[in-house]
Amino acid sequence: VQLVESGGNLVQPGGSLRLSCAASGFTFNDHYMDWVRQAPGRGLEWVGRATNKVNSDTTGYAASVKGRFTISRDDSKNSVSLQMNSLKTEDTAVYYCARLTGTSFDYWGQGTLVTVSS
Amino acid sequence: QSALTQPASVSGSPGQSIAISCTGTSSDIGAYNYVSWYQQHPGKVPKLVIYEVSHRPSGISNRFSGSKSGNTASLTISGLQAEDEADYYCSSYRSVTTHVFGTGTKVTVL
Repeated sequence: VQLVESGGNLVQPGGSLRLSCAASGFTFNDHYMDWVRQAPGRGLEWVGRATNKVNSDTTGYAASVKGRFTISRDDSKNSVSLQMNSLKTEDTAVYYCARLTGTSFDYWGQGTLVTVSS
Repeated sequence: QSALTQPASVSGSPGQSIAISCTGTSSDIGAYNYVSWYQQHPGKVPKLVIYEVSHRPSGISNRFSGSKSGNTASLTISGLQAEDEADYYCSSYRSVTTHVFGTGTKVTVL
């Protein structure tokens, strides 16, 4: 199992950024895929989820990002994306892609750093 | 969507046992047996050590155990070793579209 995030960068407040997570080594459409972030020196924060076809690809978001972030998945490419708009300085964090198996995260990517600063 | 509450730090001497608590509500920890625990060493990716309250993934030492009572879950590390020094996070599946992490606990081996 491998999860590889990409797209992290320095962006100004109010800007947008799109993160991607490429998955391999497992049957991608069997799993929900989540994004989790960790601000510098802080704890883990759940960001959002992309369910799968069994649940009509329903998505869910943390209150802190709802309305600004959008998660989408492409089962044909074994990938999940996180579109981040109206970015705030408090969105600065390492963003991890994580596989949900049952009700826990059994595999994590290495993370990609997003810095929101002027 | 408040975070689950954990003590900021717990410490113990080598060979001792320590317990980390994780307090939620009747909507998450109290409602389901869906608590998981993650170990994170500095600069590393989180690692699953307990799932569904008390189950250990393959390869995780049996020194790690989990339990739950009401709205509070606990992770116990027995026979504490230097390599156990890390941050630990609890987590609870709340619904098909929501999840929550704990505030995190720094474990120090004295």
